[in-house]
Amino acid sequence: GESVGLHLPTLSVQEGDNSIINCAYSNSASDYFIWYKQESGKGPQFIIDIRSNMDKRQGQRVTVLLNKTVKHLSLQIAATQPGDSAVYFCAETPLTTDSWGKLQFGAGTQVVVTP
Amino acid sequence: GAVVSQHPSWVICKSGTSVKIECRSLDFQATTMFWYRQFPKQSLMLMATSNEGSKATYEQGVEKDKFLINHASLTLSTLTVTSAHPEDSSFYICSAFSRGRYLERGYTFGSGTRLTVV
Repeated sequence: GESVGLHLPTLSVQEGDNSIINCAYSNSASDYFIWYKQESGKGPQFIIDIRSNMDKRQGQRVTVLLNKTVKHLSLQIAATQPGDSAVYFCAETPLTTDSWGKLQFGAGTQVVVTP
Repeated sequence: GAVVSQHPSWVICKSGTSVKIECRSLDFQATTMFWYRQFPKQSLMLMATSNEGSKATYEQGVEKDKFLINHASLTLSTLTVTSAHPEDSSFYICSAFSRGRYLERGYTFGSGTRLTVV
């Protein structure tokens, strides 16, 4: 998705609940998608990825869903923990020669886990 | 796992001076380095892409004479912010990419550099 806006949307989640973070991407040519977690003052940390030939992929406590029809990506975090508090970004890239590796980041979502 | 070391982690400089930021891939060879800038509460914006041994390509709106990128080896890329001004204050992040690795682990990000220009 394109990065817009001067503030991050916030998702407040109670500890133990499931979190769902959404991302709308803009480039229909994108083939590869990644979710990143960024803690304050640090670089992005890889969470999970998915290629365009899949619509779902699961990791440890996380699931990524891809809907290419509506260009939508979501990240589900099961049993959210305080350590999950961070900003989450989706990123996309088309696997074409001239754009290989260029990641376009979404706007991001601030996740706040409350006790 | 792959590690990218970025230094310094923070720097304060006077307006008009230049600042160099280093990004090193410690245990793999990075065919490509990406440089991003991130303003508070905003997303990462790609500034430029550099391939080892060739000139960097800059995204639209990024001044190549102001943000000098050098990628002299497969393990080191530098970003120099020349004649820095307060509006250049930001969080700069590098990402080392290697095509030879599994795609899903192809990107490794540095820890970022907080630049404050006073």
